[in-house]
Amino acid sequence: ETGVTQSPTHLIKTRGQQVTLRCSSQSGHNTVSWYQQALGQGPQFIFQYYREEENGRGNFPPRFSGLQFPNYSSELNVNALELDDSALYLCASSEGGAMDEQFFGPGTRLTVL
Amino acid sequence: QQQVKQSPQSLIVQKGGISIINCAYENTAFDYFPWYQQFPGKGPALLIAIRPDVSEKKEGRFTISFNKSAKQFSLHIMDSQPGDSATYFCAASVQGRDDKIIFGKGTRLHILP
Repeated sequence: ETGVTQSPTHLIKTRGQQVTLRCSSQSGHNTVSWYQQALGQGPQFIFQYYREEENGRGNFPPRFSGLQFPNYSSELNVNALELDDSALYLCASSEGGAMDEQFFGPGTRLTVL
Repeated sequence: QQQVKQSPQSLIVQKGGISIINCAYENTAFDYFPWYQQFPGKGPALLIAIRPDVSEKKEGRFTISFNKSAKQFSLHIMDSQPGDSATYFCAASVQGRDDKIIFGKGTRLHILP
């Protein structure tokens, strides 16, 4: 059983550009959540996808968007990048039922110059 | 508004000592309180979790104490080891809704050999 994987590991972009981050959920998991972790801070919830539908969203602007595919993998897209978007982006998958543990991937480190 | 407040920000403990990290929450709807451990370059991993119907939960050297009336909970690491050196996050969520996890800002723990 493979765990949650994310790609790329690191990414450097310039302000105003767009970025797509990818996540493969753990086998058997149909729910994916995305978090932003700024340096020295705890992760902040961006949104969650359950069976290809958005199932909750945190306090992030619409330029943060996502997708979940039929195989339950997921993408996080960020448009019009800002310097403050520099962070570690974490993906977590779970089986989708209430009280199910979320398993985190290693994250993608995004640097916006 | 920070919904989960964590202290201290950093902690240094001698090997064999007890490490104590404290958290307080505001939202009485929270019904799931996990602790996560994060090593550099890795995503957070669930360490231990508690629900508000119990006041204490112990797993090996790790114990959560929960005080519902004070809206506080703490992590105790007994016989702390150098391998426990990591960043610890307390968190809270309302299970069954979007399951988003609200994290504290983290405690960087260093165990002296």
